[in-house]
Amino acid sequence: ETGVTQTPRHLVMGMTNKKSLKCEQHLGHNAMYWYKQSAKKPLELMFVYSLEERVENNSVPSRFSPECPNSSHLFLHLHTLQPEDSALYLCASSRYSRTSNEQFFGPGTRLTVL
Amino acid sequence: GESVGLHLPTLSVQEGDNSIINCAYSNSASDYFIWYKQESGKGPQFIIDIRSNMDKRQGQRVTVLLNKTVKHLSLQIAATQPGDSAVYFCAETYNNNDMRFGAGTRLTVKP
Repeated sequence: ETGVTQTPRHLVMGMTNKKSLKCEQHLGHNAMYWYKQSAKKPLELMFVYSLEERVENNSVPSRFSPECPNSSHLFLHLHTLQPEDSALYLCASSRYSRTSNEQFFGPGTRLTVL
Repeated sequence: GESVGLHLPTLSVQEGDNSIINCAYSNSASDYFIWYKQESGKGPQFIIDIRSNMDKRQGQRVTVLLNKTVKHLSLQIAATQPGDSAVYFCAETYNNNDMRFGAGTRLTVKP
């Protein structure tokens, strides 16, 4: 257990569905992240929230919409996804400091878009 | 056994042998590096980190070596065990900016 939980663990959705991924961290961290992990590719950073404000959006399509209502929760809202969006979506959190930026990851949500 | 990270994404070793996993990083200004381990069905898990003012750091059964001259990072696992079978990622960051991850090396430990 890393202190970062994600639900659901598996999700199958059609291209016209709307769904949301949820992440919760119990570590008192002040930064949260969404990553996409596809087979044989490096982790792709999607969004970063620091102190509940979005500080980075790495050219992610608008069909992915993040939400950070407080420092412990992070959502990823999904709408009209494409089959190539099928991947493992990982949430992470960290305590931003000048000396380290170790990120703690959740177990991920395995998303399949039909 | 030894791998070269992105160029050889799999490494197979015998139980009890030492493993060496290599990673070439891209930014010569990177000042903080982490090795993560990802087991099947789980998210990446922190193993060990090192700052750029060091060239070696040891943990329990693991050692990270940093060669800034050639931008090379390695993870050494002593007496590899079946539980060490996983994908190992290196990550680099500069001045606490976003981390850049390698694609990973899959380590398989044969009994």
